[in-house]
Amino acid sequence: AQSVTQLGSHVSVSEGALVLLRCNYSSSVPPYLFWYVQYPNQGLQLLLKYTSAATLVKGINGFEAEFKKSETSFHLTKPSAHMSDAAEYFCAVSAGNQFYFGTGTSLTVIP
Amino acid sequence: EPEVTQTPSHQVTQMGQEVILRCVPISNHLYFYWYRQILGQKVEFLVSFYNNEISEKSEIFDDQFSVERPDGSNFTLKIRSTKLEDSAMYFCASRPPGPWVETQYFGPGTRLLVL
Repeated sequence: AQSVTQLGSHVSVSEGALVLLRCNYSSSVPPYLFWYVQYPNQGLQLLLKYTSAATLVKGINGFEAEFKKSETSFHLTKPSAHMSDAAEYFCAVSAGNQFYFGTGTSLTVIP
Repeated sequence: EPEVTQTPSHQVTQMGQEVILRCVPISNHLYFYWYRQILGQKVEFLVSFYNNEISEKSEIFDDQFSVERPDGSNFTLKIRSTKLEDSAMYFCASRPPGPWVETQYFGPGTRLLVL
């Protein structure tokens, strides 16, 4: 069975500080992992995805994530937070035709 | 850039009423999905649709739900007799042909409130 756990439903960082959003997964098959972002009143936008190639994945807007099989993790990072990064972030694992999402992490950026 | 659109953005209905949520997937996509997110909970898979039939559905997708692609562009989710617990954000998604790992593209969602 596939599942995703996102630790921390709310994360606050200062502008310019490191962003770290945590995601741990459970999968009975080699996972394909995704991070989506949702800005207010918008749909889910793909940030990046891991599909068994490089373990360090770079996405849009300066975000990246590292797949660590030993830790079953796929944490999302950004070296320097920007005000425009304030949004809801969802980690997801895919299995066949379905995506399994985490509960989401709301990121607040403090000026 | 092509995007998935959904209408309406918000819908309020009385318990027991039927609602139809509409989605226009990206034009060359062949796989279509509905997900829902109850406030404060996970985004949950409801159903996938390919080649004019349901390919997978979750336990949530019971007999009160149905999906349809009535023409070449729209993809609809019908809830026959809404319940209070159907209140949620409903997301439509689509993906192009190819390996199943291909990214799903999501619409902005329809927020359904059942009173």
